[in-house]
Amino acid sequence: AQKVTQAQTEISVVEKEDVTLDCVYETRDTTYYLFWYKQPPSGELVFLIRRNSFDEQNEISGRYSWNFQKSTSSFNFTITASQVVDSAVYFCALSDLVYNQGGKLIFGQGTELSVKP
Amino acid sequence: NAGVTQTPKFRILKIGQSMTLQCTQDMNHNYMYWYRQDPGMGLKLIYYSVGAGITDKGEVPNGYNVSRSTTEDFPLRLELAAPSQTSVYFCASSRTSGSTGELFFGEGSRLTVL
Repeated sequence: AQKVTQAQTEISVVEKEDVTLDCVYETRDTTYYLFWYKQPPSGELVFLIRRNSFDEQNEISGRYSWNFQKSTSSFNFTITASQVVDSAVYFCALSDLVYNQGGKLIFGQGTELSVKP
Repeated sequence: NAGVTQTPKFRILKIGQSMTLQCTQDMNHNYMYWYRQDPGMGLKLIYYSVGAGITDKGEVPNGYNVSRSTTEDFPLRLELAAPSQTSVYFCASSRTSGSTGELFFGEGSRLTVL
C-alpha cells in the first residue's frame, strides 16, 4: 500500500540548531516522486522540493538539504542553523501514479517544527 | 501576483446547510484539486480536474460535488453539511499532473459544521 510516515509529530529546537525531519514511505511503483511542502502559520502550503525515484543524489539549497535513500525508503529533510522563520508544519508527500492523470499525492501526517529564539 | 485564491476563509454552517467554496487561479493551469486537512492526518484528495469540463473523484468525495466550466475556476459544493465535514479545505493547481509537478495552494478555507 502507498503510505508516508512522518513519525515526529512535533519538534522544538532553539535557533541555530540543526534539525532533521524524517520521512519514510512505502510504494508499489518503480517510478515515483517524493515531495516536501512547508505550511507556515499563514496556512498555505508551499512547495520545497521534488525528487524522482531515479535520482538519489542529495540536494542542498541554502540551509536546506535532503537525503534520499531508496534502500531505506527514506527522504529526510535537514535544516541547518535553524531560524524562527522556519517554524511551520512540514509535509512529506509521495506520488500515487494510479491517479497519474489527476495527480494524487499521498501526504504524511506532518511534522510541526517550532524554532525558539 | 494572486496565484490560487479561495473564498471564504472562514465559515460556520449548521447541519444540513449547503455552501460553495470558491477557488480561482490565474496561472492558466489545467490541473486543479481540492484537498481537506484534518488535524494530525495530512491532506486527503476530495476531487480533481485535468481541464475545463473534466472532473473526477479523489479519495474522499462523499458529500461533495465540483464543476469546472472554465480553466480558472473550480468551486467545491458541500451538500447537506455534516459535522464530519468540519475541516480546512485547500484548493491547488498545477501546470502538469500534481503527482509529478509542483502544486500551488490557496490559503485554505476553515469550515466548521455545528
